[in-house]
Amino acid sequence: DIQMTQSPSSLSASVGDRVNITCRASQSISTYLNWYQQKPGKAPKLLIYAASSLQSGVPSRFSGSGSGTDFTLTISSLQPEDFAIYYCQQSYSTLAITFGQGTRLEIK
Amino acid sequence: QVQLVQSGAEVKKPGASVKVSCKASGYTFTIYSITWVRQAPGQGLEWMGWISVYNGNTRYAQNFQGRVTMTTDTSTSTAYMELRSLRSDDTAVYYCARAAAAIYDSWGQGTLVTVSS
Repeated sequence: DIQMTQSPSSLSASVGDRVNITCRASQSISTYLNWYQQKPGKAPKLLIYAASSLQSGVPSRFSGSGSGTDFTLTISSLQPEDFAIYYCQQSYSTLAITFGQGTRLEIK
Repeated sequence: QVQLVQSGAEVKKPGASVKVSCKASGYTFTIYSITWVRQAPGQGLEWMGWISVYNGNTRYAQNFQGRVTMTTDTSTSTAYMELRSLRSDDTAVYYCARAAAAIYDSWGQGTLVTVSS
């Protein structure tokens, strides 16, 4: 199975900060990489698909980049509602989907 | 709007089975696949498998092979996930999600399954 590793595992930041979360795949996955946001007690929500496409309804302060094995989720200016856990997910190997372990974004 | 509504919380004893339902609305059920993902308390997301609603084809994660069955009922736009031989480490929230090319754009609210003697 393709292993997905996120860094950092947790991150403290302030409202208005620019934040980057990275995701590394154990083998090349082209741009088959998706990002989700999960708030406590809620289901995950799709933010970015195909590495850089913004899901409908998601604020433009969220962006994604990367290809091959290295990917980045960027939040350009943190808002209070952005404090959550973020997961990457590879959709390259549809017979064995894998998620990253998650990055917890906390208020500084 | 697209909605996936799951069945309610379950408490099961070790060795029992559980069947979770996921009723879809707001889109053509047969066009998309349904995937199932679980999340143990305080842990990350674990993919369990998917089912093509169109033709019933399934693919299960290796960790669940032989213990899980995913089905759909197109007459009621409902997907089901049955997990057998439950253990305490199966205690988790189970989610269904609409899938297109393994991109999960709509999720159910989750179903807590507690396995305890």
